[in-house]
Formats: sequence, C-alpha cells, structure tokens
Amino acid sequence: QVQLVESGGGVVQSGRSLRLSCAASGFSFSGHGMHWVRQAPGKGLEWVADIWANGFTTYYADSVKGRFTISRDNSRNTLYLQMDNLRVDDTAVYHCARDLSFGSGSDWGQGTLVTVSS
Amino acid sequence: QSALTQPASVSGSPGQSITISCSGTSGDVGANKYVSWYQQYPGKAPKLMIYEVSERPSGVSNRFSGSKSGNTASLTISGLQTEDEADYYCSSYTTINTVVFGGGTKVTVL
Repeated sequence: QVQLVESGGGVVQSGRSLRLSCAASGFSFSGHGMHWVRQAPGKGLEWVADIWANGFTTYYADSVKGRFTISRDNSRNTLYLQMDNLRVDDTAVYHCARDLSFGSGSDWGQGTLVTVSS
Repeated sequence: QSALTQPASVSGSPGQSITISCSGTSGDVGANKYVSWYQQYPGKAPKLMIYEVSERPSGVSNRFSGSKSGNTASLTISGLQTEDEADYYCSSYTTINTVVFGGGTKVTVL
C-alpha cells in the first residue's frame, strides 16, 4: 500500500533553515508528481509547492517563492522541502502528497510539525 | 493566488442531502476540469473524495458527487451520515500551474 512518511520538523528560530523529507513507498515514486501542503494550527490547507515526475519542473506558492525549494531523489524514493529564511507564519504541519491528476493529492502523509519562533 | 471561497459551515440531518459550494475565478475553477475535494477529520491527513470535478477515487462512497458550473464547483453529499461530519476543502489547478485551496467548510450532522 502507498505510504508517505514525513520527517525533519521541529522548533526553529525565525530566519533559520530546515529541511523536510518525505519517504515514499508502495508505488512507483519516479512516475508521479509530488506536492507539499501545509496547515497552520486551526487553519485551512495551503498548497506550498509541487515537483513533476521528471524532477526538473517545479512550482511554488507566492508565500514561499524564493525561500523554499522542493526537490526529489528518485533513487531514494524521497521528496524534500528546503525551507530557508523561515518566518513565524510558516508555522504549520507540513504534508507531502502524491499527485493523481494536476493538483489532486491521492495519498497523503500524516505530516510533520514545523514551529518557527521569534 | 487568492483562496477559493467556501461557506464556513453547512449542516444537515441524517439522510438528507447537502451541497458545499466552491467559488473561484476564470483563472482557476473556471479554467479547467482539475477541481478536487477533500475530507479531513481533526488531527488527520486529508482524504481525496473527488478529483477532476466529478471523478471518485476507488473506495469513496457514491454518496459523494461533484459538479461545476462556470467558476463555481460543488460537492454534494447525499444520504448524510454521522461519519460525514468533518471539514471539507476544495482545490483547483490554476492557469499559472499552481494549486489553490478553499478556506474549508465544516459539515455538521444534526
């Protein structure tokens, strides 16, 4: 069965960096686009970024563009999110999701919590 | 990248049908067929209920259906059950290759 397991979250000071990982199993990772979606405490879902199966095409939400970088290692079946210059409003649970069809996430991880303190 | 507009809450009695709207623009909902709907229980990951406006993933009850007219998409839950009480989010692919979510709708079963 499809499994997505995020890791790398924690408490970090504003302005610092953090790298999240998403380990994928149970499907052909190299054949699917992948997304990062976050949810601030008590708030709704916010799309962060995606990366196509080829690993070269990426898109970002305006709120993270220039600060976050999505990447993947198809040999390790792992998705990454490098988060630089973190801000307090980046505090959220970060989920990775497998793309089914142009933006629809068919499978989701349980998420990893990132807390940015001032 | 403005969020799609959903009602904050919708309620209904068991057995009834309810509809959740999702209003966007010609740059997202109105632009293509890539509208999705998710169900989320507190503390849990979202679950895909509808994709490509009206397609159901394997295993999703046929009580859930989706539609779209112009810049507004809708999710209908028929034969409402207590287990349907959750938060529901719509999302859409956009003309600039990003994804935008709605603010979420809390469904209450009375």
